[in-house]
Amino acid sequence: DAGVTQSPTHLIKTRGQQVTLRCSPKSGHDTVSWYQQALGQGPQFIFQYYEEEERQRGNFPDRFSGHQFPNYSSELNVNALLLGDSALYLCASRPGLAGGPAKYFGPGTRLTVL
Amino acid sequence: DQQVKQNSPSLSVQEGRISILNCDYTNSMFDYFLWYKKYPAEGPTFLISISSIKDKNEDGRFTVFLNKSAKHLSLHIVPSQPGDSAVYFCAASAEFPDRSSGGSNYKLTFGKGTLLTVNP
Repeated sequence: DAGVTQSPTHLIKTRGQQVTLRCSPKSGHDTVSWYQQALGQGPQFIFQYYEEEERQRGNFPDRFSGHQFPNYSSELNVNALLLGDSALYLCASRPGLAGGPAKYFGPGTRLTVL
Repeated sequence: DQQVKQNSPSLSVQEGRISILNCDYTNSMFDYFLWYKKYPAEGPTFLISISSIKDKNEDGRFTVFLNKSAKHLSLHIVPSQPGDSAVYFCAASAEFPDRSSGGSNYKLTFGKGTLLTVNP
């Protein structure tokens, strides 16, 4: 049973560029959340997707957007990259909108903005 | 404003002894608490959780205690093993109704983590 998977593992971009990160939820899960973990900090909630809609959003600018596909996989898009966007981006999944918050995280994508 | 605080950046313990990791929170709306363990270059691994209706939850060597009046929770690891060496994150969650589906939305608020080192 595959857990949460993310791609790519690492990514290097320059300021002003755009990036797309991908997440496949754990088997049987249909709700996906994205988190940003800056160096030395705990993960911060970006947004959550369920039934292909953004259901909840954290304090992140509109440069951060997402999408969920009919197979429940999800993408995180960041436009106009800033140096401060360098971080580990984590995806978490859970089954539906019941039973508490997402417990299962993927290994993350390390984004470096130069 | 940090709503979840882990005031000890690091903790060093001898193998076989007890490790106690602490976490404080400020938001009274938090009703579910989780502990995660994280190794470098990996995502957080869920360890144990506790609902606000309980004051203790135990799973093997791991026990979480919740003191709602003090807005404080702690994770006890007994006995500590060298493989427990990692960063431990405390996270808190509040439930928000999802009007369109009738379900609930949750978001996790994390502390900054505590690096636990268990020495052989």
